[in-house]
Amino acid sequence: DTEVTQTPKHLVMGMTNKKSLKCEQHMGHRAMYWYKQKAKKPPELMFVYSYEKLSINESVPSRFSPECPNSSLLNLHLHALQPEDSALYLCASSLTSGSVDEQYFGPGTRLTVT
Amino acid sequence: KNQVEQSPQSLIILEGKNCTLQCNYTVSPFSNLRWYKQDTGRGPVSLTIMTFSENTKSNGRYTATLDADTKQSSLHITASQLSDSASYICVVKLIKAAGNKLTFGGGTRVLVKP
Repeated sequence: DTEVTQTPKHLVMGMTNKKSLKCEQHMGHRAMYWYKQKAKKPPELMFVYSYEKLSINESVPSRFSPECPNSSLLNLHLHALQPEDSALYLCASSLTSGSVDEQYFGPGTRLTVT
Repeated sequence: KNQVEQSPQSLIILEGKNCTLQCNYTVSPFSNLRWYKQDTGRGPVSLTIMTFSENTKSNGRYTATLDADTKQSSLHITASQLSDSASYICVVKLIKAAGNKLTFGGGTRVLVKP
C-alpha cells in the first residue's frame, strides 16, 4: 500500500463551524505533514509530525489544530475559520523526516469557508 | 524572492509535440531535486528525484536533467498526451533541512491540446 488517503474530498463550512480533516497512511511512515495550497500557488508547509510529535509549526494560526493520534493517522481540526482559509489542504508522509526521504502526497481536501 | 524559479509559468502545446520546462534554484547546500506532476485539485505525484551527483533521470516520457554547477534543472516531456495537462512543480531539498522541509517552485502549468 503506497497511498496516502484524505477525507473528505470536499468540505464547505461556515465561519462558526468546527470540522476536521483526516489523513491516513499504512506505509509505516513516521513523518506526516499538512500543507495548504491556494490556487495556482505551490503548497505551503503548515505542520510536521515526527514519531507522533509535533516538530514544526510554521506559525499557523491557532484556528488550525493538528493532532496525530497514532503513527498512521493525522488530523487537522478547524474552528472559526476565515474565508481566506479556503484552499486545498494536502497531507503527506515520509519514512522519517530525514533529508533523503521522499514525501508522498494525498489527493487533498478542497475546503471552502463561507 | 522565491529561491526556486520555474519557467515558463504556463504553456500550451499540441498533442504529440515535445516540450521542456526549466527550473533554476539558488538554495544551498543541495540534497536533491524533485519534479512533481499535479493535476488540478489533486495532490502532487513524484516524477523524478535526482541527487547532487546525478545529471539525468527518466520516467517513461519524462526526462529530467540537472546541472548542479549552474543550479539548473529541466523536465522534458516527449510526445505529449492530453493527460500530461497539469502543473509541474520543481522542488529542492536542502541538506539538513529541518523537518524534511521542501522548497517549492511556483510551477509550470501545461495544457496539451488535441
